[in-house]
Order: sequence, then structure tokens, then C-alpha cells
Amino acid sequence: GAGVSQSPRYKVAKRGQDVALRCDPISGHVSLFWYQQALGQGPEFLTYFQNEAQLDKSGLPSDRFFAERPEGSVSTLKIQRTQQEDSAVYLCASSLVTGTSGTNEQFFGPGTRLTVL
Amino acid sequence: SQQGEEDPQALSIQEGENATMNCSYKTSINNLQWYRQNSGRGLVHLILIRSNEREKHSGRLRVTLDTSKKSSSLLITASRAADTASYFCATPEYGNKLVFGAGTILRVKS
Repeated sequence: GAGVSQSPRYKVAKRGQDVALRCDPISGHVSLFWYQQALGQGPEFLTYFQNEAQLDKSGLPSDRFFAERPEGSVSTLKIQRTQQEDSAVYLCASSLVTGTSGTNEQFFGPGTRLTVL
Repeated sequence: SQQGEEDPQALSIQEGENATMNCSYKTSINNLQWYRQNSGRGLVHLILIRSNEREKHSGRLRVTLDTSKKSSSLLITASRAADTASYFCATPEYGNKLVFGAGTILRVKS
């Protein structure tokens, strides 16, 4: 399909386990965003890429969270030594380009629901 | 942290009725966006209103923006069961990342 895809859709991890979440943005989209959505809350920003450059990682909650987009297309969000508080839905979004006015629509993937036991 | 708050937190109406959701935000904005989220289609962009606009329409959606009160409202007219979803307002910060409110859960009963 032409939309943003994410895999896996569901992930159950034991506390302390490392996980990797994948995002395939819409082809040609320069900007890629990761958000974390806790149950009953709105999405919260984690990090942002423009092509392969990670321009903002201010939302990453700890140094256990790491994101990359080495070729400016697919992105991976890695969480090391998962904790129960990491349980959430992780959303990826992409947009064509991001100007200073922030008017470009972000297209969201279906998310990965991570449950840490 | 969340940008602001939506109210009500939850809303239950009958099919055919109108639904109004409100959003407040904290900082100066260039635009405000509304998104819908349901289990079937994920998070979908509905409408964007710029800071120099006061009202905008798209189909059955009407959005207003009052920058002096730092608030916005989303009106869905003639609601349908398929409108059942969570609705979020979001504002771009530093031109790129979106800051979302906590959302309003809308249930439309048929």
C-alpha cells in the first residue's frame, strides 16, 4: 500500500529485553517522526528525522531509547532493557517536508503496541 | 508533556446529533490541527486551521479558532456511527513536531 507501515503491530517483551520497532514511511517523504502514546493519552513526540539526519531527539525518555534512519527511508526505534513503563503504542509518521510553519500534514502508521511484562 | 486539554473527555450522542469538542492550548501557534483515531484506521488528519483564520469547514466538520483565548472547537454535524473515535487537537512546535492534547472520546449511538 501507499501508506506508512509499521512492524510488528504487536510486541510482548519481558522486562529487560531489547526490542526493535520498524517504520516504513511513504516513499519520497523527507520527514519522519516517532511518537509514544500511553493508554488514554494523546501521542507524545519522541524524535524527528529529516532524511537520515536526526534533528530532534528531545522527546526520547531515556538513553535506553535509540532511533536511526541510516538511508533516509526506513527507520528503527530501539528500546534497550525494556521496563514496564515503556508499555505504549509507538506511532511513526512521515511528511513530505517540514517547513518552519509546520503546515505539512503528517501521515501516521497503525502503530506498534508494546507490552512489557 | 501535553500542549493543552480537550473537553469533554468523553461524549456520547445519538446518530444525527451534532458533536462539539473543545481544545485549549498554551503557546503561540502557526496553526492547529485536528486528528481522529480509531482502531480501524489509526490516526488520521482531519483539518488544519491557520492562526489567521477564525473558521474553516470541511464536509460535516467545522473548526473554529480563537487565538485570544488560545482555544479551538471541532463541530461534527449530523453525526454517524462511523464517527465514533477519539479526537485530538495538535499544534506544531518549532515547525515540526506535533504536540497533542489528551483527546475526546466520541461515541455515536445508532
